[in-house]
Amino acid sequence: NAGVTQTPKFQVLKTGQSMTLQCAQDMNHEYMSWYRQDPGMGLRLIHYSVGAGITDQGEVPNGYNVSRSTTEDFPLRLLSAAPSQTSVYFCASSYSRDSLGGYTFGSGTRLTVV
Amino acid sequence: GQQLNQSPQSMFIQEGEDVSMNCTSSSIFNTWLWYKQDPGEGPVLLIALYKAGELTSNGRLTAQFGITRKDSFLNISASIPSDVGIYFCAGQLYGGSQGNLIFGKGTKLSVKP
Repeated sequence: NAGVTQTPKFQVLKTGQSMTLQCAQDMNHEYMSWYRQDPGMGLRLIHYSVGAGITDQGEVPNGYNVSRSTTEDFPLRLLSAAPSQTSVYFCASSYSRDSLGGYTFGSGTRLTVV
Repeated sequence: GQQLNQSPQSMFIQEGEDVSMNCTSSSIFNTWLWYKQDPGEGPVLLIALYKAGELTSNGRLTAQFGITRKDSFLNISASIPSDVGIYFCAGQLYGGSQGNLIFGKGTKLSVKP
């Protein structure tokens, strides 16, 4: 099925551990982005990419790294997890950043850092 | 940075009632979008608005793009239990470094049968 696929759906990490959240889309979208959702805070942009090889920071980039080696994949890396990174993470994509059709979201990764 | 003020934060209504929520910004936007998030899922686009003053319907949902380009509202008529969820407004300003979607904090809707 076409769409945005995120893995894993759930993850528990210990403080200081590293991990990669995976995001893949099969719609040939150039634009991909990562948001985190915290209670009462809405969705905040972490990093985004307007095409393969191009990434940029969003509103809350500290503690996260991204790369975009292919059009399809946009992984989010936590180098040294902290309890403040406990959140639900969403990946989104669209044909372009100024897409008139809005963004398509994945179903999320719920991360707990203990 | 730009911020969206979405209200109310939560609503608890009776099935069959109409619902109204709105979003305001200190900055203008080219596009206003309304999303719904079901529990355990990602947001899904409900309505997109591209022109100041535009009024658009999608079934029981109606949304408007404010004339000043700084606000938008969403109405849901005759609510049903499956309307439960979190509704997000999002604004977008094209071009430059500001083209990403900016989201409000959401309105949590609960419907009592």
